[in-house]
Amino acid sequence: GQNIDQPTEMTATEGAIVQINCTYQTSGFNGLFWYQQHAGEAPTFLSYNVLDGLEEKGRFSSFLSRSKGYSYLLLKELQMKDSASYLCAVSLDSWGKLQFGAGTQVVVTP
Amino acid sequence: DAGVTQSPTHLIKTRGQQVTLRCSPKSGHDTVSWYQQALGQGPQFIFQYYEEEERQRGNFPDRFSGHQFPNYSSELNVNALLLGDSALYLCASSRRDGPYNEQFFGPGTRLTVL
Repeated sequence: GQNIDQPTEMTATEGAIVQINCTYQTSGFNGLFWYQQHAGEAPTFLSYNVLDGLEEKGRFSSFLSRSKGYSYLLLKELQMKDSASYLCAVSLDSWGKLQFGAGTQVVVTP
Repeated sequence: DAGVTQSPTHLIKTRGQQVTLRCSPKSGHDTVSWYQQALGQGPQFIFQYYEEEERQRGNFPDRFSGHQFPNYSSELNVNALLLGDSALYLCASSRRDGPYNEQFFGPGTRLTVL
């Protein structure tokens, strides 16, 4: 079967760092996306990895290991507005069909 | 440049009814995908349209059907509504020849089936 697993919830303090892990086992792989989704809103793009290694984009970084079926999203210098659900999604083919994990709810406390 | 738009924002229906949801893709995009997101879950792929044809389909029954128009906009139709169809329905658009086929999501239609 196809599986994308990520923790259900993580809590961290404002200014801290949080790492959200994602493991996947899918029939196809054409890259891995991370999306941020605030309650009741559309997912918004954070990062894309298709090759192994680290991609850095301001306060957000994402890492991929294809051989291990593993990715993580690193959020640095947490702000209150970062409280949201973070979705790990594998692109299964060249047409961009996405399979999502259930999402990790990040709660940032003062 | 308008992003992906969807209508209506919210919808309440009763079991057995039929519903049509609409999506206009981001300017320059030619591919539209639909996803269903139940509360507390990640989005699930329903189907994808390109050149007015259903290109691929997820694990959803035939009650779910769609259409793409020449201007690339799309509709999702659901017949014989069940309580379990209550969800946020997301439309995503992309360019077939775009970089890594990034999907841009609309704000969604919240469907409640009573």
